Amino acid sequence: ETGVTQSPTHLIKTRGQQVTLRCSSQSGHNTVSWYQQALGQGPQFIFQYYREEENGRGNFPPRFSGLQFPNYSSELNVNALELDDSALYLCASSLVVLTSGLYNEQFFGPGTRLTVL
Amino acid sequence: DQQVKQNSPSLSVQEGRISILNCDYTNSMFDYFLWYKKYPAEGPTFLISISSIKDKNEDGRFTVFLNKSAKHLSLHIVPSQPGDSAVYFCAASGRAETSGSRLTFGEGTQLTVNP
Repeated sequence: ETGVTQSPTHLIKTRGQQVTLRCSSQSGHNTVSWYQQALGQGPQFIFQYYREEENGRGNFPPRFSGLQFPNYSSELNVNALELDDSALYLCASSLVVLTSGLYNEQFFGPGTRLTVL
Repeated sequence: DQQVKQNSPSLSVQEGRISILNCDYTNSMFDYFLWYKKYPAEGPTFLISISSIKDKNEDGRFTVFLNKSAKHLSLHIVPSQPGDSAVYFCAASGRAETSGSRLTFGEGTQLTVNP
């Protein structure tokens, strides 16, 4: 069991609204990443938080923002929702030691299915 | 710009036979490659990985092969079982000190293993 949980499971919003998705990382993990998976595609990297600070961002506009908290939880906020934001949003946590040069496995949550009407 | 590509959207094999899933990449800075398996309504689950300094890694029924010169990797499952039916994603990462654990995924291949 990965220990990564996400809420809510499903969410329906209308265009222009704002949404907050939540993720509880596995205990002890210092890094959380968020991904957007559109239907029929692979997950696309949105951004990553390392020790509560943004540490890398994919090709997503500023209306996608996030937070990571000391208790291993994190949030993904999306403002001014657009129809194309409809997707499965995945969070993944890992323990990263940047100076080690080593890759550490990411553990994914089950995702939040967002529908924008 | 699709840096990781899985050209086969689907693959169907008979139980007991070998499943071979393929993946190509374009970014020579990728340092680590992974395969994830995903069932409906679940998040991706890590399956097997390989570092760029190796050309093969084996774990039970699963073997990943890496051909750096061709920028190609493949996942072999033998023997295939009906429970292996899922979407398989190929993913790649740069070195941890520059990219953390950021993953670039392919589009996925739906594997169906028929009894």
